[in-house]
Amino acid sequence: RKEVEQDPGPFNVPEGATVAFNCTYSNSASQSFFWYRQDCRKEPKLLMSVYSSGNEDGRFTAQLNRASQYISLLIRDSKLSDSATYLCVVKKAAGNKLTFGGGTRVLVKP
Amino acid sequence: EAEVAQSPRYKITEKSQAVAFWCDPISGHATLYWYRQILGQGPELLVQFQDESVVDDSQLPKDRFSAERLKGVDSTLKIQPAELGDSAMYLCASSLGGTGGPATIYNEQFFGPGTRLTVL
Repeated sequence: RKEVEQDPGPFNVPEGATVAFNCTYSNSASQSFFWYRQDCRKEPKLLMSVYSSGNEDGRFTAQLNRASQYISLLIRDSKLSDSATYLCVVKKAAGNKLTFGGGTRVLVKP
Repeated sequence: EAEVAQSPRYKITEKSQAVAFWCDPISGHATLYWYRQILGQGPELLVQFQDESVVDDSQLPKDRFSAERLKGVDSTLKIQPAELGDSAMYLCASSLGGTGGPATIYNEQFFGPGTRLTVL
């Protein structure tokens, strides 16, 4: 079993709609959680950190459920520019090593 | 804006040949990471340096892969001999710190554009 699992998608989303997807992690020692965004053939870039209380950054909302060991990302009012692969990332307490999920591909269409 | 530099951007080689990739991290970043990303998968850490020292190379296939960061600045990743299964994107990342400080602190990793390797 992979340490971080994601639905690979693609999620086909009409422009302006809301899309949400989850990621599950298996290691309960995971301490910090992030969503990275990766455009086609580009490098990953940090989208947002995920806090225990949930957090919002503009149209993006991230949630963490430690009991069930999953995190989620919700995108409201989807834009064509939101089309990308969203990578779920976890970090253990010690060190700065990141473990990436396989990514969820989102395609926003007019 | 400071960026992580990588070269070459693309590399095509035949199996059994040697290849080398170069990375120049953001100035002042003590920690450097090499990742491999196979198409359709997330990046997987190969090796992590803190200054010139290797702090994690548990996922590096040491029979054919080697990495060095001699002066604690730029780094080279080498594959010898290359195999068909090595075809992937090789990403370099850097961060300000990595192994010290409070456990919950995350020093953001900034990625370079990657080197896309194709082994024929």
